[in-house]
Amino acid sequence: AQTVTQSQPEMSVQEAETVTLSCTYDTSENNYYLFWYKQPPSRQMILVIRQEAYKQQNATENRFSVNFQKAAKSFSLKISDSQLGDTAMYFCAFLNTDKLIFGTGTRLQVFP
Amino acid sequence: DAGITQSPRHKVTETGTPVTLRCHQTENHRYMYWYRQDPGHGLRLIHYSYGVKDTDKGEVSDGYSVSRSKTEDFLLTLESATSSQTSVYFCAISRSPSTEMGQIGNEKLFFGSGTQLSVL
Repeated sequence: AQTVTQSQPEMSVQEAETVTLSCTYDTSENNYYLFWYKQPPSRQMILVIRQEAYKQQNATENRFSVNFQKAAKSFSLKISDSQLGDTAMYFCAFLNTDKLIFGTGTRLQVFP
Repeated sequence: DAGITQSPRHKVTETGTPVTLRCHQTENHRYMYWYRQDPGHGLRLIHYSYGVKDTDKGEVSDGYSVSRSKTEDFLLTLESATSSQTSVYFCAISRSPSTEMGQIGNEKLFFGSGTQLSVL
């Protein structure tokens, strides 16, 4: 069975600095998707970035980028130039065939 | 954003009573999912559906049942609610999560706003 592990329950970063959130997963499949979702206090689930496993190039969305290491089954999220609005829970998720599996989340606090 | 709504947004009920949560979509997406979110556990899959009348269990399905009689609606039922089922419930939809060759596309998942359920 697939599993997703986020080993950092909480992280903090100062505004304008860079922070990296880690995510590892376990699967025997070769084709799958990986996602990072942001959940602010409003409870809304917001897609931050996605990565197709067959693509070697790391995905980038403005200040957000990933370091996808397929062999190591690692999918970390880097947030550059952190902003106060980045304060939220961040979930890593794995999608293969029918099931979407989430990690336990990392609570990120951005300080002024 | 995708057309997906959950109802109710909040519900308080008593132990032993039946509860039904509704997820409604206007996107004609094939896949629908129910998750519960609890501190320290992230989102855990309860049940999912891959078509009308086609459903399967997730990792925390005990005490829950689902039904999907039409594409747009996916119902989650707690037959006899317990305090351990106090949680935030999320519905999600996807056009097709299949990653078979030729079907990989711009797949995205869309989430409802969540239902806060309290079982007293």
